[in-house]
Amino acid sequence: NAGVTQTPKFRVLKTGQSMTLLCAQDMNHEYMYWYRQDPGMGLRLIHYSVGEGTTAKGEVPDGYNVSRLKKQNFLLGLESAAPSQTSVYFCASSSPRAGYLENTEAFFGQGTRLTVV
Amino acid sequence: SQKIEQNSEALNIQEGKTATLTCNYTNYSPAYLQWYRQDPGRGPVFLLLIRENEKEKRKERLKVTFDTTLKQSLFHITASQPADSATYLCALDPPRWAGYSTLTFGKGTMLLVSP
Repeated sequence: NAGVTQTPKFRVLKTGQSMTLLCAQDMNHEYMYWYRQDPGMGLRLIHYSVGEGTTAKGEVPDGYNVSRLKKQNFLLGLESAAPSQTSVYFCASSSPRAGYLENTEAFFGQGTRLTVV
Repeated sequence: SQKIEQNSEALNIQEGKTATLTCNYTNYSPAYLQWYRQDPGRGPVFLLLIRENEKEKRKERLKVTFDTTLKQSLFHITASQPADSATYLCALDPPRWAGYSTLTFGKGTMLLVSP
């Protein structure tokens, strides 16, 4: 039972380089999210998607782009990495709230530790 | 926007005691309030969910209360064990009329249970 899988787990980038973080979920969830977690800042939402082909900005979207071409995959891109983007990135997925009894718990991946030097 | 406050100082307790963690929020009451556990180097893991019209929820040694008047949720771990040591996050799921559907997380409180 894979759940939510993130690749890669670790990455070191030089300032100005680009990269894509991949998130895959096998639970047929409609919603997917990208968060970053920094010491003392908690989890902050970067972008999210409420279904295949849709994306929306979260709390801290600047410097990032996302795509949801397939329901099971949510990609996070850094076009020109900056040291301020050094962080741990978490992908999560959940079911939408279809009714009062719908459980909206989020399932998280194991995280990607990104260092930009 | 919704703000969540969790005690930033670590909570240190002795094994066997009850740990109580606090989550306070501002503005409107959420439709749901969730609690997660996060171990170092791992992603958060869902523990419990409580709805706005529920006062209390239990699961094994865990108990969550929700007071919409105080705008507060308390998370209790009874008979705590060293294995309960982790960071605990609360998250708010907004009501439908809020116009958005994403969880807002608190910064978490670290719990340390000593033998």
